[in-house]
Amino acid sequence: GQSLEQPSEVTAVEGAIVQINCTYQTSGFYGLSWYQQHDGGAPTFLSYNALDGLEETGRFSSFLSRSDSYGYLLLQELQMKDSASYFCAVGSQGGKLIFGQGTELSVKP
Amino acid sequence: DSGVTQTPKHLITATGQRVTLRCSPRSGDLSVYWYQQSLDQGLQFLIQYYNGEERAKGNILERFSAQQFPDLHSELNLSSLELGDSALYFCASSVEGGQRNTIYFGEGSWLTVV
Repeated sequence: GQSLEQPSEVTAVEGAIVQINCTYQTSGFYGLSWYQQHDGGAPTFLSYNALDGLEETGRFSSFLSRSDSYGYLLLQELQMKDSASYFCAVGSQGGKLIFGQGTELSVKP
Repeated sequence: DSGVTQTPKHLITATGQRVTLRCSPRSGDLSVYWYQQSLDQGLQFLIQYYNGEERAKGNILERFSAQQFPDLHSELNLSSLELGDSALYFCASSVEGGQRNTIYFGEGSWLTVV
């Protein structure tokens, strides 16, 4: 089976840096990805890591350590619009994508 | 706009009834996924189809069924509805098996069972 754990909520102030962690258990690993979902909206793809290391996309970076079954999403220069839920997801054979329970990020002024 | 179209956007129905949710994937995408998101819950994987064939199954109840048609659109059928089935149902699509774990979500269908 597959399971993912991430914090349920995180609060930070505008301009700060926040890290959202994700640990996973999976049989067959095909990468760790991150999705953003604003309230009631469609989740949208943010980043993907198949190999160990850091991937940077603008203000967002994502890290993966396969040996530790661990990854994180790093958001820099936080803006109010970054307030949303963030989901980590692991891929498995055949393209099945399993999501964590999500982390609600609140950015305060 | 992701290119994935879901209808209806909102639906209110009574317990015991049956509804059908429809999804048109992005042009060229062969895989369709269905997810359920209850209030303050994560995205629960229900089922995945690839080019008309069922590819993977998640926590889909026996009262629920889905299919993908030759034109690649998909339908999720929910029957004998219960109050607990009230949720946001997302369809997503990808080119093939979700390259780089990238799948594209529709705006969802809000189902309220009363």
